[in-house]
Amino acid sequence: AQSVAQPEDQVNVAEGNPLTVKCTYSVSGNPYLFWYVQYPNRGLQFLLKYITGDNLVKGSYGFEAEFNKSQTSFHLKKPSALVSDSALYFCAVRDESWGKLQFGAGTQVVVTP
Amino acid sequence: EAGVAQSPRYKIIEKRQSVAFWCNPISGHATLYWYQQILGQGPKLLIQFQNNGVVDDSQLPKDRFSAERLKGVDSTLKIQPAKLEDSAVYLCASSLGGTGGFQETQYFGPGTRLLVL
Repeated sequence: AQSVAQPEDQVNVAEGNPLTVKCTYSVSGNPYLFWYVQYPNRGLQFLLKYITGDNLVKGSYGFEAEFNKSQTSFHLKKPSALVSDSALYFCAVRDESWGKLQFGAGTQVVVTP
Repeated sequence: EAGVAQSPRYKIIEKRQSVAFWCNPISGHATLYWYQQILGQGPKLLIQFQNNGVVDDSQLPKDRFSAERLKGVDSTLKIQPAKLEDSAVYLCASSLGGTGGFQETQYFGPGTRLLVL
């Protein structure tokens, strides 16, 4: 079975500072990794994904993520956070042995002015 | 392009009652998913359809939950009878269902928030 860990329940950052949301995973095969964001009373919105190739993936709204195979991590980053980035962020992994998209528990990001 | 549509957005029922949720995926998407998201947790897959066939329902509590996608487009998820622990957000998602397989991005609807009293 596969698993995803988001070790921080909440990340607090001041507006304009760099934002990092951590994610580690465990799979049997090659991982397909995804980041989603959820705003209150709304569904999940896709940010970016890693399939293969370049370890640095760029996505929507200035977000990027770095795939690190040796550390089995896929941390989400943004160079300069905005107050509007305050939301719940989910990391998810899928591989061909398990098939299902497995989500982490989520990390609440709070960006203060 | 219209996104995934779900209704109703909110539902409050008494335990042992039945409830149904509706989902219309993005046009042209062959794969449809139903997820359950309990407060404080990530979404968990309940059932996956490819066109009108079930691909995976291994995590669906079949004694009380059922789902169908008769014409391969929209879908209905039903709970009968509901329990207190069914209180959650029910999310529908869709993906192209083409050759991308497990690499495909799933696009989510706004969800239905269910409260069972």
